[in-house]
Amino acid sequence: NAGVTQTPKFRILKIGQSMTLQCTQDMNHNYMYWYRQDPGMGLKLIYYSVGAGITDKGEVPNGYNVSRSTTEDFPLRLELAAPSQTSVYFCASSYGGIEDNEQFFGPGTRLTVL
Amino acid sequence: AQSVTQPDIHITVSEGASLELRCNYSYGATPYLFWYVQSPGQGLQLLLKYFSGDTLVQGIKGFEAEFKRSQSSFNLRKPSVHWSDAAEYFCAVGPLNSGYSTLTFGKGTMLLVSP
Repeated sequence: NAGVTQTPKFRILKIGQSMTLQCTQDMNHNYMYWYRQDPGMGLKLIYYSVGAGITDKGEVPNGYNVSRSTTEDFPLRLELAAPSQTSVYFCASSYGGIEDNEQFFGPGTRLTVL
Repeated sequence: AQSVTQPDIHITVSEGASLELRCNYSYGATPYLFWYVQSPGQGLQLLLKYFSGDTLVQGIKGFEAEFKRSQSSFNLRKPSVHWSDAAEYFCAVGPLNSGYSTLTFGKGTMLLVSP
């Protein structure tokens, strides 16, 4: 049981390039989330999904896209990378529902846009 | 809108001393409250959570937190800090949307442990 895995661990992008951050969970969780973490700012929710085929915007969705074709995978797409997207990105999952809301986090992807 | 405030950006505690990390929230209904810990270079790990019932909640690694509705607080405590507790601690409140398990996180408190 690997939990939540993220690839890559590190990436440097040039302005305007695109990339996909991968996230996979093997706990059969219904809910998945993408956060970004900037120094001194805590975690901000980018997008979340409550099940395959269902996604919704979080607090800071601009510049990102997601899809959820399977229960296990929840990739995050950056289409035109900008320096403001330099951050550490965390994927998380939870079984679902309000009372079972423990979110399990992946190790993160550190992205730099130059 | 809901929000979480962690007033202390950094706290330094001597090893063996007691610890209290503050968390205040703003929420329109009965909140669900969480404390997470993040070690350097790692993801977040759940320490404890409060949904209802006893307002003093026990968590992992010897941590506890007390929910005080009158003060809108959910402070994290540990009676004796170990050097391995040095990390960043995040308080969170949810759900963001009714029925959906989204959380709002505070900005975090960095705990430094001195010998």
